[in-house]
Amino acid sequence: RKEVEQDPGPFNVPEGATVAFNCTYSNSASQSFFWYRQDCRKEPKLLMSVYSSGNEDGRFTAQLNRASQYISLLIRDSKLSDSATYLCVVNRPTNTGFQKLVFGTGTRLLVSP
Amino acid sequence: DAGVIQSPRHEVTEMGQEVTLRCKPISGHNSLFWYRQTMMRGLELLIYFNNNVPIDDSGMPEDRFSAKMPNASFSTLKIQPSEPRDSAVYFCASTRELGHNEQFFGPGTRLTVL
Repeated sequence: RKEVEQDPGPFNVPEGATVAFNCTYSNSASQSFFWYRQDCRKEPKLLMSVYSSGNEDGRFTAQLNRASQYISLLIRDSKLSDSATYLCVVNRPTNTGFQKLVFGTGTRLLVSP
Repeated sequence: DAGVIQSPRHEVTEMGQEVTLRCKPISGHNSLFWYRQTMMRGLELLIYFNNNVPIDDSGMPEDRFSAKMPNASFSTLKIQPSEPRDSAVYFCASTRELGHNEQFFGPGTRLTVL
């Protein structure tokens, strides 16, 4: 079982639609959570952190459920420019004493006119 | 400011050849990470350094892979000998310090081993 699991998609939605992605993680020691965005043939970039209380950044809302080990990302009023792969990322401690990021394989979103 | 710089951007080589990938982290960043990305396995952490010292190389797939960071502004990932299954995009990322959550990725090196 992968440490971070995501539905690969693709999610095909029309402009203006609301779309939600889910992610589950297996390591209960995980401490921090993020969504990264990766455009086709580009590098991943941080989209937003995910806080226990839930947080919003414009059209994007992220939520965390620690009990269920579940993270979500909601995108409202989808734009063509939102088309990308969204990577669920978990930061967890290792036996070196440092933390490391563990990436899901990503959910692909295609927004059409 | 320049971001993370990687070279080459594309590399095509034949099985058995040595491949060296290069990375220059963002100035002032103390931690550097090497990742490999494939369709099947996604983004996998290979090795990371803190203050030029390798911290965890448990993600390095085989002895054919090695990485060095001789100074704060340069790192290499070497594959010798290369095999077709090494074909992937290799990303280098840096962050200000370990535990700081935002990692800044370079543009990647797309490696094809024939």
